[in-house]
Amino acid sequence: KQEVTQIPAALSVPEGENLVLNCSFTDSAIYNLQWFRQDPGKGLTSLLLIQSSQREQTSGRLNASLDKSSGRSTLYIAASQPGDSATYLCEVDSNYQLIWGAGTKLIIKP
Amino acid sequence: NAGVTQTPKFRILKIGQSMTLQCAQDMNHNYMYWYRQDPGMGLKLIYYSVGAGITDKGEVPNGYNVSRSTTEDFPLRLELAAPSQTSVYFCASSYSSGGGTEQFFGPGTRLTVL
Repeated sequence: KQEVTQIPAALSVPEGENLVLNCSFTDSAIYNLQWFRQDPGKGLTSLLLIQSSQREQTSGRLNASLDKSSGRSTLYIAASQPGDSATYLCEVDSNYQLIWGAGTKLIIKP
Repeated sequence: NAGVTQTPKFRILKIGQSMTLQCAQDMNHNYMYWYRQDPGMGLKLIYYSVGAGITDKGEVPNGYNVSRSTTEDFPLRLELAAPSQTSVYFCASSYSSGGGTEQFFGPGTRLTVL
């Protein structure tokens, strides 16, 4: 059974720093992986989708990588801003199993 | 486009009561999903649908039922509410399979069962 883990559970960094969020999964036979952002009391917003054949995707200051062989994905955020404060979740799609990590709560201090 | 809408936003139920959580999307998406999110946890898939008239169980379907009579609507039914069903419920939709294309989420329904 697929299991998805996100470490750390919470992270607080000063504004302007570059940072990396981690997502690991136990079964490498995945179709794709998505990173989402969740703001308090709101729904989720898709940030980046990486297909199983891809190694990375980029959108603005965000870069997500995927290494299926090691069961890892990272979300890199460049030049962090207070507006980046949110919970970031990864979701793994493997044969209609949509399994989510518990998320990393990110706080960017001004 | 309104995207994915959910009603109600909040609801308090007594043990044993029933209710239906409504979800609608106006993007003509084939795939729709119901998730629950418990505090400090990731989302868990309850049910999903790949098109009108077709539904299937997800990871945690017990205590819930769904129907998909139209492309737009995907209601979630709780028949006998239990405290373990206290959670935030999210509905989502996508054009094709769950991770193949971007999922769009509704704002959620916060349900408390007392």
